[in-house]
Amino acid sequence: QKEVEQNSGPLSVPEGAIASLNCTYSDRGSQSFFWYRQYSGKSPELIMSIYSNGDKEDGRFTAQLNKASQYVSLLIRDSQPSDSATYLCAVSNTGGFKTIFGAGTRLFVKA
Amino acid sequence: KAGVTQTPRYLIKTRGQQVTLSCSPISGHRSVSWYQQTPGQGLQFLFEYFSETQRNKGNFPGRFSGRQFSNSRSEMNVSTLELGDSALYLCASSLDGSAKNIQYFGAGTRLSVL
Repeated sequence: QKEVEQNSGPLSVPEGAIASLNCTYSDRGSQSFFWYRQYSGKSPELIMSIYSNGDKEDGRFTAQLNKASQYVSLLIRDSQPSDSATYLCAVSNTGGFKTIFGAGTRLFVKA
Repeated sequence: KAGVTQTPRYLIKTRGQQVTLSCSPISGHRSVSWYQQTPGQGLQFLFEYFSETQRNKGNFPGRFSGRQFSNSRSEMNVSTLELGDSALYLCASSLDGSAKNIQYFGAGTRLSVL
């Protein structure tokens, strides 16, 4: 079992729709959860971080965390073609000094 | 404020050679992590440095090594290159490497091994 698992996609949604990206992790000691966006040929950039159970909203993005189910998700509302990228889920735990990334989900937003 | 700087951006080497990659973190950041990114494996953690000490290491062979200098700049070395080492090598810096720290990535060094 991989430490951080994501559906590789591609996930295709029409412009204006909600894109839902999911991630599961295996280490119950994980404390911090991140979503990064990576455009083709570019390096990852942080979109959201979440540390406690529940929802966290930032503009069109909402991160959801459920530690009991070891599940974290990212919702993108009003998806735009510019959101087309690979979304990486990342997980770290206290004292580990190590962040584990999922393989990423490719998202295509069709105009 | 300058971002994370990686040099060189591109490298072409042949099998058996060695290579050294450099990473300058954001000013004030003391933790540097290195990752290997390939289409098949995604982002794989190589190692993390803080105050010139390696605090964690991923599952890579001993041919992969690194170090950090007193100014927090870091280098990564790969010896006896193999074809499978062709990848994008990313460096990320954070304040102190603790779990809640956000990592900021450099543009990466693309290594091609022929």
